Amino acid sequence: NAGVTQTPKFQVLKTGQSMTLQCAQDMNHEYMSWYRQDPGMGLRLIHYSVGAGITDQGEVPNGYNVSRSTTEDFPLRLLSAAPSQTSVYFCASTNWGGANTEAFFGQGTRLTVV
Amino acid sequence: GQSLEQPSEVTAVEGAIVQINCTYQTSGFYGLSWYQQHDGGAPTFLSYNGLDGLEETGRFSSFLSRSDSYGYLLLQELQMKDSASYFCAAQTGANNLFFGTGTRLTVIP
Repeated sequence: NAGVTQTPKFQVLKTGQSMTLQCAQDMNHEYMSWYRQDPGMGLRLIHYSVGAGITDQGEVPNGYNVSRSTTEDFPLRLLSAAPSQTSVYFCASTNWGGANTEAFFGQGTRLTVV
Repeated sequence: GQSLEQPSEVTAVEGAIVQINCTYQTSGFYGLSWYQQHDGGAPTFLSYNGLDGLEETGRFSSFLSRSDSYGYLLLQELQMKDSASYFCAAQTGANNLFFGTGTRLTVIP
């Protein structure tokens, strides 16, 4: 089972460049989300989607865009990269269901903006 | 806003028991989850408490008290491979997960 696949694993960008982080899941989950993880700050929610065509902002949405055209894919776009966006990005796919509620994370994208 | 507090570091001896506490302040609280993350890896699910009380999964147990806005993760028979960061996460009414800042557990021989 592939689970959640994120690409790329590593990326270096120059300030002002744009890029898209890819995320795909094969578990048919409706809910997907993007987090960033910075040292000492845990994971912070950037954007989330409760199904195809529906997205919403999380805690730290500024500088990022998302779209959800299919259940499987949830790409994250950095519009104009800034050094403050240097971080590790995780995509997650979640099955919401009481005691079985579980978020499955991709392996992460380590982004450096110079 | 949402806030979850947990200790930043804990050290314990191999074979011992350790408890990691989490206090939360959120709106629309549904339940509390725990995730493990090894250095350089992705978070992986450990447990979920939607109701008050204790949930047990092998060497790991998790507890929730909604009236106290408090939960904990209990790890028994510690092994070296349990050295990792542990995060509590609150599920809110929008079905989002909000994470604490993490507790780094170091298991020593």
